[in-house]
Amino acid sequence: GDSVTQTEGLVTLTEGLPVMLNCTYQTIYSNPFLFWYVQHLNESPRLLLKSFTDNKRTEHQGFHATLHKSSSSFHLQKSSAQLSDSALYYCALSPYQGGRALIFGTGTTVSVSP
Amino acid sequence: AQTIHQWPVAEIKAVGSPLSLGCTIKGKSSPNLYWYWQATGGTLQQLFYSITVGQVESVVQLNLSASRPKDDQFILSTEKLLLSHSGFYLCAWSARDNSGNTLYFGEGSRLIVV
Repeated sequence: GDSVTQTEGLVTLTEGLPVMLNCTYQTIYSNPFLFWYVQHLNESPRLLLKSFTDNKRTEHQGFHATLHKSSSSFHLQKSSAQLSDSALYYCALSPYQGGRALIFGTGTTVSVSP
Repeated sequence: AQTIHQWPVAEIKAVGSPLSLGCTIKGKSSPNLYWYWQATGGTLQQLFYSITVGQVESVVQLNLSASRPKDDQFILSTEKLLLSHSGFYLCAWSARDNSGNTLYFGEGSRLIVV
């Protein structure tokens, strides 16, 4: 079945260092949509960025990700972490247009310290 | 612009008591509506899905029920709460277009069952 894997449960880093969160997915469909959501403490998840175009970099608020269908990956990156980036990050998959909902990964908590 | 509002913001309820959580979407006609549940620090679990008034599909059985009495309203309820119902309940909507089921979440309702 369709699934999303986020290998890191917790990522701790120092402000100013680069961030990379891993996301891989499984689906039999050839044109999936991939998403990253961010959830700050005591808030609801908010869309960070999304893509359905193979090998095209998508950017928003300093974060970027590229959908690679060849490796079924959609890793999230940022060149320099800020304290405000501390949050829970979810990768999500929509296997095809018109499906019943998104399939979420288990999430990665990012903790940025001074 | 579309807005999504959930109520109540938070509740403390006794085991065995009834529960009703609500969600209203403004500025979007015929949205797909969803209920998600998140245990403290846990992943997002989809509970229900609705594409139109009067039609609700259950995804996970948690002794909860949902109804869609109006196009812009989604209700989550149970007659008898369990301790395991504690958590963060999120209503979300998506449009029936080419956005790949992009979900937009409400502010959430935090429930503590004692």
